[in-house]
Amino acid sequence: QVQLVESGGGVVQPGRSLRLSCAASGFTFSGNAMHWVRQAPGKGLEWVAVISYDGSHQVYTDSVKGRFSISRDNSKNTVSLQMNSLRGEDTAVYYCVREVTTEPTITWFGPWGQGSLVTVSS
Amino acid sequence: SSELTQDPTVSVALGQTVSITCQGDSLRSYHASWYQQKPEQAPLLVFYGKNNRPSGIPDRFSGSTSGNTASLTITGAQAEDEADYYCNSRGTSGDPWVFGGGTKLTVL
Repeated sequence: QVQLVESGGGVVQPGRSLRLSCAASGFTFSGNAMHWVRQAPGKGLEWVAVISYDGSHQVYTDSVKGRFSISRDNSKNTVSLQMNSLRGEDTAVYYCVREVTTEPTITWFGPWGQGSLVTVSS
Repeated sequence: SSELTQDPTVSVALGQTVSITCQGDSLRSYHASWYQQKPEQAPLLVFYGKNNRPSGIPDRFSGSTSGNTASLTITGAQAEDEADYYCNSRGTSGDPWVFGGGTKLTVL
């Protein structure tokens, strides 16, 4: 079945870096854009970044531009999020999700992995 | 602030019908998708598009759109439907994708 498994989370000091990875299985990975979505403790879902199916195009939310970098390896069915210059407000559970577009106006995200907790604290 | 607006809290009596709404300009052009999240769990897609319910989602979940408002309706709410619900769609300015702020549904 379709599955996404995130890894790489942990506790990191402000200003330091961390790299999250997401391993995909059960679908043709190179056919879908992939996203990272995060959720701060007790807060709602926040879209973070997207990478196109072939890795040629990336878009980021303003708060992470210049600090985070999304990449993918279609030969290994993995998507990564390199997070630099981390701040306290980056503390969250990070989910990687597959984008599925069935019509130009109809898109959904799924499945959702279990998420990877990133805690930025001194 | 989110480009998609949801009521923070909604309650419904057991077995009754409830609609959770999501307002935003992008919904005039793009369909919403809806996600259920229970405590300590990852979000789960429960409805998307014009009339699409993923396999395994009970048929008491339905959706609709009118103008700039998308709605997720639960007909005959059950105790296990108590959760946070989020809508998602394209953004109209800034981020290309946005989530609503979420609605906490309480089943009384």
